[in-house]
Parts: sequence; structure tokens; C-alpha cells
Amino acid sequence: KAGVTQTPRYLIKTRGQQVTLSCSPISGHRSVSWYQQTPGQGLQFLFEYFSETQRNKGNFPGRFSGRQFSNSRSEMNVSTLELGDSALYLCASSSTPRGPNEKLFFGSGTQLSVL
Amino acid sequence: AQKITQTQPGMFVQEKEAVTLDCTYDTSDPSYGLFWYKQPSSGEMIFLIYQGSYDQQNATEGRYSLNFQKARKSANLVISASQLGDSAMYFCAMREGWGQGAQKLVFGQGTRLTINP
Repeated sequence: KAGVTQTPRYLIKTRGQQVTLSCSPISGHRSVSWYQQTPGQGLQFLFEYFSETQRNKGNFPGRFSGRQFSNSRSEMNVSTLELGDSALYLCASSSTPRGPNEKLFFGSGTQLSVL
Repeated sequence: AQKITQTQPGMFVQEKEAVTLDCTYDTSDPSYGLFWYKQPSSGEMIFLIYQGSYDQQNATEGRYSLNFQKARKSANLVISASQLGDSAMYFCAMREGWGQGAQKLVFGQGTRLTINP
């Protein structure tokens, strides 16, 4: 069974640009969540999608948005990039977001550098 | 308030020794799940082991075991017979409850484990 696939692996952008990151969950998984990892703030929850609906959102500005398609693939968009958006963006999938025992499986992440 | 605390920023261990990585957590929800993930330099977060708040026994997965002390709110990861490939960052994480909040993991700051030959 293929794992969580994130593309691209690396991305370099300049301030003010926008970027779209892609995540394909494990086959059969319908819940996709996104996390930002930085050396200063650690791992922080961005948002979670299930059945094409955003069910929960972390404490991030509106420049961060996402969506999920009918095949459960998800995209994350960051508009008007700032230097502080440089981070590893990790996508995780689970079969359903039923509760605390649902295991999350992560992809390798997209390393975004904003210059 | 910090919900997951990992007090060891870095640990150095000799190959083949056992190692314990500390994790304490804070929650008022009786239903929660505790996870450990390994992150090698490649960046991928690798699921290691899970412990539910209602589980009667400590979780084990191969060389990994979780020392779950509910009253102390601790969930330490034990790696037996460490190997060079165990060198990585290790994160403790928690999910709470059955509502909307259950969809997010809260992570600790991590422990960088280095295995010396």
C-alpha cells in the first residue's frame, strides 16, 4: 500500500508570491490534515479535511487555505508569502477522524523556502 | 498551556543499549490518545507506537514500548537494543476527545536521539 505522497518535495519562492502544495493520502483514507514545522514553533496544526469539508482549523492567518477533492487528495495554498512561512509542511492521513485513537500517517513533507 | 512536554532536547546512547525518551502530558479529557513519531533527517514522520487512555496494558511494537503512567501523566518511549538507524528526532503527541478537537495532534518539542557506535 502506497504511503502519503506530497509534492513537490522542495519549493523556493519569493515574498509576495503564492504557492500550492499537494497531498495524496493513503488509499482508502478520507481524512487529511496539514501541519507546519519550523525550528522556532515546532509542529503546529493547520487544518483538517474530511469528505471535502474543512472540519478544524488551527491558529493561522487567512493566507493559509486548503481544499480536498472527491478522491480525498488535498491541496494547501499560501498566498502573499512571507519570510516566516519558510517551513516543512507535512500532510497526514487517517481513515476517518473518529476520535483520539485514530492513527495519523504522515508524508515526507514539502520544504518551502521563501526568499 | 503546554500540553506535551519533552524535557530532553538531546540524548546520546551507545549502540545496543536501551534508551528511554520522556514525555509528560496535560489534559482534562478522559479520552485521549498518545503517539510517538520518529523523524529522520529526510523529514518524514514515521508512526512508532500508540497508547489509548483506556488501554489497560502498555503498548508494544517490536523494539518500541510505551511506559504509560496515567496518574503521573507520563508516556515514555522505551527503545530496546538501540541501533544506528534509530538516530533521529522523536516526537510525543496527543489527541484529545471525540469532538472537533480530536482531529488535531498536539506535539512536544522533540528529542534528538543520537546512537553512537
